[in-house]
Amino acid sequence: EVQLVESGGSLVQPGGSLRLSCATSGFTFSNYVMNWVRQAPGKGLEWVSVISASGDTTYYADSVRGRFTISRDNSKNTLHLQMNSLRAEDTAIYYCAQDPTSGDFMYWGQGTLVTVSS
Amino acid sequence: DIQMTQSPSTLSASVGDRVTITCRASQSIGTWLAWYQQSPGKDPKVLIYKASSLRSGVPPRFSGSGSGTEFTLTISSLQPDDSATYYCQQYDAYRAFGPGTKVEIK
Repeated sequence: EVQLVESGGSLVQPGGSLRLSCATSGFTFSNYVMNWVRQAPGKGLEWVSVISASGDTTYYADSVRGRFTISRDNSKNTLHLQMNSLRAEDTAIYYCAQDPTSGDFMYWGQGTLVTVSS
Repeated sequence: DIQMTQSPSTLSASVGDRVTITCRASQSIGTWLAWYQQSPGKDPKVLIYKASSLRSGVPPRFSGSGSGTEFTLTISSLQPDDSATYYCQQYDAYRAFGPGTKVEIK
């Protein structure tokens, strides 16, 4: 069974940092491009970042570039998102998701909530 | 960056109706487009990838078409479970979602 389980979400003050993780199982993690996607309360889906299967190529949305860093540990089947200089507008549910280039084999996690507030 | 738009933003239709949602890209993305369904309070679910490929397990009343800059998601016979918000996503250059189309049942 394919599983993607996010963790690390919490309440953090503006300017603070947080590291999200996504533990995966049920598929060969190192073969798949992975994403972080977020959804602010009552809003639509927003793509955050993507990382290649090997981890050597990354891209970011303009809204997080320079503040967030995506990474992966293929030996531990885990995806990470290091979030620095957090702002109120970063408040959202953060999902890890297999990339649409995966084709039919495309799964999402259930999300972890990040709240940025003083 | 490629911008995605969707129309309409909201639609209301009756059970059994044929429903069409349009997604437009600001530049050509070939067929690198996916469609997602998000029911109220639930996580997004993948419906379509590569513009027209139906994901395994998705009911065949859902179909996708288009290429280049204009795409459509069609629900051939609307069912009560289809009340949800639908998003398109391009994955040709970086990634980007459309703003969503909320489908309501009359």
